[in-house]
Amino acid sequence: QQQVKQSPQSLIVQKGGISIINCAYENTAFDYFPWYQQFPGKGPALLIAIRPDVSEKKEGRFTISFNKSAKQFSLHIMDSQPGDSATYFCAAGGSGNTGKLIFGQGTTLQVKP
Amino acid sequence: DTAVSQTPKYLVTQMGNDKSIKCEQNLGHDTMYWYKQDSKKFLKIMFSYNNKELIINETVPNRFSPKSPDKAHLNLHINSLELGDSAVYFCASSGLAHSGANVLTFGAGSRLTVL
Repeated sequence: QQQVKQSPQSLIVQKGGISIINCAYENTAFDYFPWYQQFPGKGPALLIAIRPDVSEKKEGRFTISFNKSAKQFSLHIMDSQPGDSATYFCAAGGSGNTGKLIFGQGTTLQVKP
Repeated sequence: DTAVSQTPKYLVTQMGNDKSIKCEQNLGHDTMYWYKQDSKKFLKIMFSYNNKELIINETVPNRFSPKSPDKAHLNLHINSLELGDSAVYFCASSGLAHSGANVLTFGAGSRLTVL
């Protein structure tokens, strides 16, 4: 019940294309769903996050779509750029300062010029 | 200016040795974590401390012992290192955003290689 399943494991997209990464969770107590971006040799960094009271959140070229009934959420990267090439992790957790995050398995995105 | 800093960045050691990784955050956060990232990049929480008190202890061998001397520091000591301990260990800290969400800030990682 603590798992977060992420797909695909890897993704290759042409520059200017749309990258889509999907995640599914099991625990209905989760109420915070962030996406983290990790470049080689660096730690993961928060990219965008959503709470379950909205179905979509957009920040620049990055959009999270959230489907509470299906317990699924996805990251869309519009107009993908080579600089977006990184590993992306979805995560889920509870509210509060001590709530731990459960991470998905990660998706390695390569954007070809 | 680094928000979460951990040292050393690289550790190469023999099986059976003991090693420590240190972490410090200057964000004023109350909660700190250790995460382990394996060769498949899977991130798994190991420990969490809130104001120097252990609040999360996942299924981690007793050879791993975290210590938090104050809320800005969280160290990880590993005894009797095994080959399977080879991984990247990330320290993180968290604070509440205005939304009430728990925002994690990660360090750059410490890559441990056990030979």
